Amino acid sequence: QKEVEQNSGPLSVPEGAIASLNCTYSDRVSQSFFWYRQYSGKSPELIMSIYSNGDKEDGRFTAQLNKASQYVSLLIRDSQPSDSATYLCAVNIRGGADGLTFGKGTHLIIQP
Amino acid sequence: GAGVSQSPRYKVAKRGQDVALRCDPISGHVSLFWYQQALGQGPEFLTYFQNEAQLDKSGLPSDRFFAERPEGSVSTLKIQRTQQEDSAVYLCASSPRTGPSGANVLTFGAGSRLTVL
Repeated sequence: QKEVEQNSGPLSVPEGAIASLNCTYSDRVSQSFFWYRQYSGKSPELIMSIYSNGDKEDGRFTAQLNKASQYVSLLIRDSQPSDSATYLCAVNIRGGADGLTFGKGTHLIIQP
Repeated sequence: GAGVSQSPRYKVAKRGQDVALRCDPISGHVSLFWYQQALGQGPEFLTYFQNEAQLDKSGLPSDRFFAERPEGSVSTLKIQRTQQEDSAVYLCASSPRTGPSGANVLTFGAGSRLTVL
């Protein structure tokens, strides 16, 4: 089992709807969780971080964390065509200094 | 500099050639990470530097891969005797912090796309 799992998609969502992206992780002691957006041919860009159970909202984005169930999700409200990208879930596995462990990413397509 | 700079942006190598990829992190950033991103995959950790010290190289896939950061700023990732499976985008990221929180605030470079024929 990979340490960070995501459905690779593509996930197709109509413009204006809510896009829901999910991620599960294997290491119970993980403390830090991140969502990156990556446009084709570009580098990952951090859009959300979350450290505590519950919801964290930032504009149209809401990150949700459930440590007991070992999943983290990202909701994008009022989806726009510019949100079409690959969304990478990243976890600071074991809280170490050795960087983040990324999932494969979910390819999101917002249909105009 | 304003961001993390990587060069070359694109590199085509014949199988068996050696390549060197350069990363110039944000000035003053003590932590530097290298990641490998194959097509359709997420970035995979390769190695981590804190200043000039290479604290973790557990992600380097073979002894053909070597990284250095001799003066604690610019880093070079060298791949010897390249193989087709080395074809990927190599991402460099830097952070102003060390320790566990150093991984939490990363700025990525644009990457170096390596194609091995």
